[in-house]
Amino acid sequence: GPKVLQIPSHQIIDMGQMVTLNCDPVSNHLYFYWYKQILGQQMEFLVNFYNGKVMEKSKLFKDQFSVERPDGSYFTLKIQPTALEDSAVYFCASSSPEQGGDTQYFGPGTRLLVL
Amino acid sequence: QQQVRQSPQSLTVWEGETAILNCSYENSAFDYFPWYQQFPGEGPALLISILSVSDKKEDGRFTIFFNKREKKLSLHIADSQPGDSATYFCAASASSGSWQLIFGSGTQLTVMP
Repeated sequence: GPKVLQIPSHQIIDMGQMVTLNCDPVSNHLYFYWYKQILGQQMEFLVNFYNGKVMEKSKLFKDQFSVERPDGSYFTLKIQPTALEDSAVYFCASSSPEQGGDTQYFGPGTRLLVL
Repeated sequence: QQQVRQSPQSLTVWEGETAILNCSYENSAFDYFPWYQQFPGEGPALLISILSVSDKKEDGRFTIFFNKREKKLSLHIADSQPGDSATYFCAASASSGSWQLIFGSGTQLTVMP
């Protein structure tokens, strides 16, 4: 099926530093999402993005988080500054909603460890 | 407060048996229910999905049964294979919203050969 790529696959960073997670969505998709999964728990919605704007964000999407997709390149999640509780796997997803449901395709995730 | 609940947390079946994974939800606005399969170290992959206007959806060995009145659904995996061993997530979203998916906590399925 359609592939979503994520770079890097792993990232270790010191608390307080900035990190940028990159997502290469499916080429004709228009909606983009970030989800967070802490080890052993379910995935939780962070934010979705369409037409250059954040459509909706959850309580987990703290002020230190930001997203953008400059000029149709990578869809990025930036965390500045990072905190220990940001350690998790971050999954990017993309979709092109059509009548009958929103089929979201997920990337393999970026495993972020904040020390 | 969990909006989407899954049971059991873990399930072991023998090869060839039918595995039954359960899911329930609270929000009546949910009308789209995808099931995702996730292997360790990978992202979730869409397996099969159903809209609330249907009560059954089949795709090969995978079948979703949906009960709107009781706000319950189940995923049946017929003729289970060891390669089906994975974690299965039930999710839900509302077409009236922003399409954010609300995930359950997952069922870890093990198929014994």
